[in-house]
Amino acid sequence: KQEVTQIPAALSVPEGENLVLNCSFTDSAIYNLQWFRQDPGKGLTSLLLIQSSQREQTSGRLNASLDKSSGRSTLYIAASQPGDSATYLCAVNQAGTALIFGKGTTLSVSS
Amino acid sequence: GAVVSQHPSWVICKSGTSVKIECRSLDFQATTMFWYRQFPKQSLMLMATSNEGSKATYEQGVEKDKFLINHASLTLSTLTVTSAHPEDSSFYICSARVDTGVSYNEQFFGPGTRLTVL
Repeated sequence: KQEVTQIPAALSVPEGENLVLNCSFTDSAIYNLQWFRQDPGKGLTSLLLIQSSQREQTSGRLNASLDKSSGRSTLYIAASQPGDSATYLCAVNQAGTALIFGKGTTLSVSS
Repeated sequence: GAVVSQHPSWVICKSGTSVKIECRSLDFQATTMFWYRQFPKQSLMLMATSNEGSKATYEQGVEKDKFLINHASLTLSTLTVTSAHPEDSSFYICSARVDTGVSYNEQFFGPGTRLTVL
């Protein structure tokens, strides 16, 4: 059974720092991997989707990488801002099934 | 990207009543929709997979008689929480999977419904 783990569970950084969030999964037979952002009490905002054949995806200050063989993905946030404070969720998609989520990393960026 | 709506966005009900939550794919057809629930400060847990025109597939531990799911059309799935109790209070999120085109197999999420049972 696929399991998704995110480390760290929480992270506090000062504004301007670059940071990395980690996601690992136990079954490498995935179709794609997605990173989401969730603000308190709100729904999910899709940030980046990486297909299994891709190594990375970039959107603005965000860069997500995927190493399928080792079961790892990272989300890199450059020049962090207070507005980046949220919970970041990693989810894997195995063909024919629902997305399986990690427990998330709660990020706090102080000004 | 594809848009998924949920209604209502929040609901407060008395214990013992039933509550229906709608999930709609607004600009695409979705053969498959999913229902998740999320407790405070926890991740999303899959409750069931809803297939248009057939019975939903429930995850282990989810009571199918309590959480009734109907997927009557390619753009609408409903979740009815029957005889709701305070422990059913949660954030319910649906998603719809795209079955064709460039977004094939991608899931798009609704904004969620906050259910509070008094």
